[in-house]
Amino acid sequence: EVQLEQSGAEVKKPGESLKISCKASGYKFTSYWIGWVRQLPGKGLEWMGIRYAGDSDTRYSPSFQGQVTISVDNSINTAYLQWTSLKASDTAMYYCARMINCGGDLCAFDMWGQGTMVTVSS
Amino acid sequence: DIQMTQSPSTLSASVGDRVTITCRASQSISNWLAWYQQRPGNAPKLLIYKASTLESGVPSRFSGSGSGTEFTLTISSLQPDDFASYYCQQFNSFPWTFGQGTKVDIK
Repeated sequence: EVQLEQSGAEVKKPGESLKISCKASGYKFTSYWIGWVRQLPGKGLEWMGIRYAGDSDTRYSPSFQGQVTISVDNSINTAYLQWTSLKASDTAMYYCARMINCGGDLCAFDMWGQGTMVTVSS
Repeated sequence: DIQMTQSPSTLSASVGDRVTITCRASQSISNWLAWYQQRPGNAPKLLIYKASTLESGVPSRFSGSGSGTEFTLTISSLQPDDFASYYCQQFNSFPWTFGQGTKVDIK
């Protein structure tokens, strides 16, 4: 069974760093792209970026470029999303999701993690 | 960036109703569109990809259509589990963008 298990909720202060994780199981991790999606409280979904788990190819939304880093550790089938200096405006639910390929092009997020709630407050 | 606009933002309906949600793109995206369902407190779930391909395991009462700039998600007979929010997302070009969502609630 394909599963994406995300790390637990975090409460941090502005300026602190954070790395949240997404552990994949049930499929060949290095053959898929994995992405991150933000959902502000009570709001819609925002695409942050994607990373091919088989190499270093990473694409970011301009809205998140330079604000976060997406990485993977293939030895433990885990993807990460990290911040070096959190802001209150980063308070949100963050989802990881696996991408599917439609005839050579990426076309949807087919499996999602349960989400990690990040709260940034002084 | 390609803007995705869903309508309506909220839709009140009853069990058994036929429901249609529209998603319009600010420029042509061919058929690079996916639809997701998100129940309160849950992660999104893929329903449709490439505008009209039903994801495995998704009930056949869900269907998608359209190409270019106008797309629809139809639920042929609304069931209690279908009261949720629905989002479209384009995959034609970076940055991939979502519609603002449509909440389907009980009339």
